[in-house]
Amino acid sequence: AQSVSQHNHHVILSEAASLELGCNYSYGGTVNLFWYVQYPGQHLQLLLKYFSGDPLVKGIKGFEAEFIKSKFSFNLRKPSVQWSDTAEYFCAVNAGHDYKLSFGAGTTVTVRA
Amino acid sequence: GAVVSQHPSWVICKSGTSVKIECRSLDFQATTMFWYRQFPKQSLMLMATSNEGSKATYEQGVEKDKFLINHASLTLSTLTVTSAHPEDSSFYICSASGLTGESYEQYFGPGTRLTVT
Repeated sequence: AQSVSQHNHHVILSEAASLELGCNYSYGGTVNLFWYVQYPGQHLQLLLKYFSGDPLVKGIKGFEAEFIKSKFSFNLRKPSVQWSDTAEYFCAVNAGHDYKLSFGAGTTVTVRA
Repeated sequence: GAVVSQHPSWVICKSGTSVKIECRSLDFQATTMFWYRQFPKQSLMLMATSNEGSKATYEQGVEKDKFLINHASLTLSTLTVTSAHPEDSSFYICSASGLTGESYEQYFGPGTRLTVT
């Protein structure tokens, strides 16, 4: 089974700062990659996903992620965060032939006004 | 589209009783549903995968007799926590993959907070 690691456990930023969250996975075959966000007290929402094609993926709310196959990475970025981006962020991966998702441990992002 | 609901959103039960949690796909047919458990400040851990009309496949370490999963229709899966104990207190989340969703994408329910006293 594939494993997913998120490098940052907790990130604290000021508004307008740039955000980058790291995600690495261990699986040598074809993968589908996802970033989910969980706002306080709410359910998981899909931010963006990569199945194939352009490795730079744009998602909702100004987020983007870049798939670098050689580095087994799928880092999430946002150029300028807002207070409302305070949430838990999860990277998830499944093998190309499988529905089952493996989640990273999550990164708590706190944006200070 | 692709909305998944869970009921109840939270439940408190006494130790030794059983609790049933429902997961419904509201606008698509879910051929596969997943049940996750999330502890505070931790990630989601997959408990089991269920396909409509067949037995659920449980992840290693998950007691199938304690966490009963039924996927009787293409829009409903249930998780029953039998003889619940305080250590079963957690946030249970379901997700669904279906015919109208994109391949290999899961749609998540809002979760059910279970507290066992």
